[in-house]
Amino acid sequence: NAGVTQTPKFRILKIGQSMTLQCTQDMNHNYMYWYRQDPGMGLKLIYYSVGAGITDKGEVPNGYNVSRSTTEDFPLRLELAAPSQTSVYFCASSYQAEAFFGQGTRLTVV
Amino acid sequence: AQSVTQPDIHITVSEGASLELRCNYSYGATPYLFWYVQSPGQGLQLLLKYFSGDTLVQGIKGFEAEFKRSQSSFNLRKPSVHWSDAAEYFCAPKIGGSQGNLIFGKGTKLSVKP
Repeated sequence: NAGVTQTPKFRILKIGQSMTLQCTQDMNHNYMYWYRQDPGMGLKLIYYSVGAGITDKGEVPNGYNVSRSTTEDFPLRLELAAPSQTSVYFCASSYQAEAFFGQGTRLTVV
Repeated sequence: AQSVTQPDIHITVSEGASLELRCNYSYGATPYLFWYVQSPGQGLQLLLKYFSGDTLVQGIKGFEAEFKRSQSSFNLRKPSVHWSDAAEYFCAPKIGGSQGNLIFGKGTKLSVKP
């Protein structure tokens, strides 16, 4: 019973590099989300998706892109990494009202 | 604008003491309400939720929360805290119905003294 799986768990990037944070869920949920968590700030919504082929911006989308080609996968792309993107990233999926979270990806940009 | 406030950044309680974590939200209608717990280095685990009906809801690990419409509050309580409850707690209203977006408070870090 995997739930929401995020890879990698940790990553160090250099300024200007790009990477993709992977998120997959096996619960057949239509709704998926990406959040970032900074110390003392709670979680901020980056992007979300209501189903395959549909994505929308959240509160803090700048510097990120997403795609949703399948129900299961919702990757988050950083094109030009900046120190301000150092954070812990959480992916979640939702059925009805309840959200299920992955274990997070800790990203450091140096 | 919709917002959620957790006024206590850090709380320390003795093991066995009671606990109340406060949460207030600002929204025109009653949102779906959630409390999540996050242990260090871990993801978020759902403690309990309120959608409608009985305003006192029970969750996992002995936690409960009470919804008070007049105060726009959804405070989390536990009668007797265990050392394993040390973690960070997030209140999260869901704005826009069952498939709306969660808005997270800044969290309350709970420390437990032996």
